[in-house]
Amino acid sequence: AQKITQTQPGMFVQEKEAVTLDCTYDTSDPSYGLFWYKQPSSGEMIFLIYQGSYDQQNATEGRYSLNFQKARKSANLVISASQLGDSAMYFCAMREGGKDYKLSFGAGTTVTVRA
Amino acid sequence: DAGVTQSPTHLIKTRGQHVTLRCSPISGHKSVSWYQQVLGQGPQFIFQYYEKEERGRGNFPDRFSARQFPNYSSELNVNALLLGDSALYLCASSLADRGGQPQHFGDGTRLSIL
Repeated sequence: AQKITQTQPGMFVQEKEAVTLDCTYDTSDPSYGLFWYKQPSSGEMIFLIYQGSYDQQNATEGRYSLNFQKARKSANLVISASQLGDSAMYFCAMREGGKDYKLSFGAGTTVTVRA
Repeated sequence: DAGVTQSPTHLIKTRGQHVTLRCSPISGHKSVSWYQQVLGQGPQFIFQYYEKEERGRGNFPDRFSARQFPNYSSELNVNALLLGDSALYLCASSLADRGGQPQHFGDGTRLSIL
């Protein structure tokens, strides 16, 4: 079964508008972490934001915020005030408890920001 | 401070050959992980090492092997290359092997098999 599901293969957003990227996850582990990464066309993976399963508040990092709904097992990324440089592939990933630090990634969502 | 560095940047091999990819983690990071990213997909976990010990292995054949050195750098070896091994290979390092510490990725090695 897929551990991370990203149902939006591609999205277009107007510059300066906000965009929400969906992510649902599947785990029976009570301890887990959720990460969002950005991958521009050049290929490097850039860490954006982290949410722990026990965190009471939604994570925020600058223009990025994570809408964490634990009961619905969703961890949507919100990018506010989109910029042309935000055009990239965005991946949601999960780390479950255990002795390794394996990240399970979704298929990604391509975001294209229009001027 | 330097980020995660990987070498080489690009590599072209033929079927049946072997390849060694190298990774230097961020200074102070003791955990190194390897991922394979096939075009159009998310990265797939291959290995994780922490303090020179293998902590995790993904669903990859025994043709894939890795090791971590005393200076925490790492090598990924792939033997008997197949066309399906063509991918971007990403190395990631983190300060610890668990918890909320994010993994920081290098720019990757693009491996093409002819």
